[in-house]
Amino acid sequence: GESVGLHLPTLSVQEGDNSIINCAYSNSASDYFIWYKQESGKGPQFIIDIRSNMDKRQGQRVTVLLNKTVKHLSLQIAATQPGDSAVYFCAEITDSWGKFQFGAGTQVVVTP
Amino acid sequence: KAGVTQTPRYLIKTRGQQVTLSCSPISGHRSVSWYQQTPGQGLQFLFEYFSETQRNKGNFPGRFSGRQFSNSRSEMNVSTLELGDSALYLCASSFGQGAGGYTFGSGTRLTVV
Repeated sequence: GESVGLHLPTLSVQEGDNSIINCAYSNSASDYFIWYKQESGKGPQFIIDIRSNMDKRQGQRVTVLLNKTVKHLSLQIAATQPGDSAVYFCAEITDSWGKFQFGAGTQVVVTP
Repeated sequence: KAGVTQTPRYLIKTRGQQVTLSCSPISGHRSVSWYQQTPGQGLQFLFEYFSETQRNKGNFPGRFSGRQFSNSRSEMNVSTLELGDSALYLCASSFGQGAGGYTFGSGTRLTVV
């Protein structure tokens, strides 16, 4: 994903529903991707990662899908809870370990 | 286990001053990365250190520098502060390549007035 300006896209989802957050990444040579969650006043928190030799990876209530053909990454959250309200970032490693390229982020708002 | 610790949490400085931020990584982690986060630019990579060596550097002016000590603790320094340097500075640590993602600290909120 590219770093863009001021406005974060917002996903509003009802509690209990599934959420899908999308991310378009920039470099076809990227071989490692991570999803992070950032709550207000805190640093980003690791959610799940995936390597480029995989299409799908599942964690607890989360699934990451990777489509290398169209350079697209998605994060699915099952049974979304109020505690899932946060900004979600995708990040890719391009040329060097430790140097992540972050997307702009998506604000997820969970409504009761 | 203790997480990544950044100090101070908040800092207010005047234009032209310099500032040093500190990061203590998770015990055993040897790779430390620094990021700048602003509403306009998002998360931007500053630099990464591994075993006291800077391995990667982002596209920031030379006023931004860092170092890593033998115990893996890291500091970053910004000289001749500008208003645009106001941001959340995040430090993250990892065991190293291929060892999973980075764990972030809560950041240092720097305000330049």
